Amino acid sequence: AQSVTQLDSQVPVFEEAPVELRCNYSSSVSVYLFWYVQYPNQGLQLLLKYLSGSTLVESINGFEAEFNKSQTSFHLRKPSVHISDTAEYFCAGGVTGGSQGNLIFGKGTKLSVKP
Amino acid sequence: NAGVTQTPKFQVLKTGQSMTLQCAQDMNHEYMSWYRQDPGMGLRLIHYSVGAGITDQGEVPNGYNVSRSTTEDFPLRLLSAAPSQTSVYFCASSSGSAGGNTIYFGEGSWLTVV
Repeated sequence: AQSVTQLDSQVPVFEEAPVELRCNYSSSVSVYLFWYVQYPNQGLQLLLKYLSGSTLVESINGFEAEFNKSQTSFHLRKPSVHISDTAEYFCAGGVTGGSQGNLIFGKGTKLSVKP
Repeated sequence: NAGVTQTPKFQVLKTGQSMTLQCAQDMNHEYMSWYRQDPGMGLRLIHYSVGAGITDQGEVPNGYNVSRSTTEDFPLRLLSAAPSQTSVYFCASSSGSAGGNTIYFGEGSWLTVV
C-alpha cells in the first residue's frame, strides 16, 4: 500500500536550536516528495519538493530536506529555528499510477518553537 | 493573485442538511481535488478531477458528490450531512501530475455538523 509516515506527531524545540522532522515513504509511492507547511487557521503552503537530480533540496527560509532512496526517507531539517517556524508540517508523496495530480499525505508533525 | 478560492470559510450544519462547498481556481489548471483534514489524520483525498467532465473517487468519497462542468470550478456537495463529516476541507489544483507540478491549496473550509 502507498503510504507516507511522519514519525513524530509533535516536536517541541527551543528557539535557535536545530530541528529534524522525520518522514518515510513506502517504496510504492512515487519518488516525487514534498513538504508542506500549515500555519494556524491557514491552508497548506509548499515548503520544498524533490522531483529529481540533487538529493538535497532547500527552501527560501532555511529549511532543507534530503531524499534518501536506500532508507526511503525525506527528513526535513533546519539548523536554527525561529518562533515564526511554529506550524504543522506535512510530508507528502506523489501518487504513482492513475491518480494524477494527487498526493498521499503523512499525518503531520506539529513543530512548537519555544523562546 | 486569487489562486484557489474556497467558500464558505466557516459553516455549521444540522444533521441531514445538504450544502455545497465552492472551489474556483483562476490558473487554468487541469487537475483539481478535495481533501479533508482531521486531527492526527493528515489530509485524505475525497474526490478529484483530471479535467472538465471527468471526476473520480479518492480515499474517502462516501457522503460526497462532485462535478466538473468547467475548468475553473469544482464544487463539493454534501447530500445529507453527518457529524462524521465535521472537518476542515481543502480544495487543491495543479497544472499536471503530482510528479512535476506544484499543488496549490485553498485556505480551507471549516465545517461543523451538529
